[in-house]
Amino acid sequence: DAGVIQSPRHEVTEMGQEVTLRCKPISGHDYLFWYRQTMMRGLELLIYFNNNVPIDDSGMPEDRFSAKMPNASFSTLKIQPSEPRDSAVYFCASSLVGTGTHGYTFGSGTRLTVV
Amino acid sequence: GQSLEQPSEVTAVEGAIVQINCTYQTSGFYGLSWYQQHDGGAPTFLSYNALDGLEETGRFSSFLSRSDSYGYLLLQELQMKDSASYFCAVTGGYQKVTFGTGTKLQVIP
Repeated sequence: DAGVIQSPRHEVTEMGQEVTLRCKPISGHDYLFWYRQTMMRGLELLIYFNNNVPIDDSGMPEDRFSAKMPNASFSTLKIQPSEPRDSAVYFCASSLVGTGTHGYTFGSGTRLTVV
Repeated sequence: GQSLEQPSEVTAVEGAIVQINCTYQTSGFYGLSWYQQHDGGAPTFLSYNALDGLEETGRFSSFLSRSDSYGYLLLQELQMKDSASYFCAVTGGYQKVTFGTGTKLQVIP
């Protein structure tokens, strides 16, 4: 298995532009998570899906952020419009179960820089 | 809500043993996990404790005391490649997983 695949690895964009991050989870994993990591706030859960359905989006910072999972093999996180404070590493992770018993498998992350 | 505390930095000598502590507060508890993250890399899963006691996986062991809301990660026979950040993560109410702020381990020769 290729693991969790995220694209792009790096994204530099200007303030106000739309940014779309992509994720392909491990086949057979029913849970998909979007995390954001910064030095100040650490790893924050933004949203997670179970069987393609959003379960908890309480971590999404504001309406500028949206996430979709149209099928079991693809998810997107969109920021529109982007702001400099959105600069962070965004990780997608997937797992068999939601409790973390077998651990989450993280993708390599997307390093987003908004200038 | 959920919160975790762990030391921000730890330094240890190659070949030695180091313990990284984690205390947590949570409403509802399923388990405590540990992850390793090298600079520029992704977090990788190390262990999960749902019950009290010590779980051993090679050079790494993880301990949990639910009554004390406390756990630790024990790394033995430290190697230079163990230099990384280590995160504890608690699975609490509604199966929500919250990560600690991480402990940066530096292994020195």
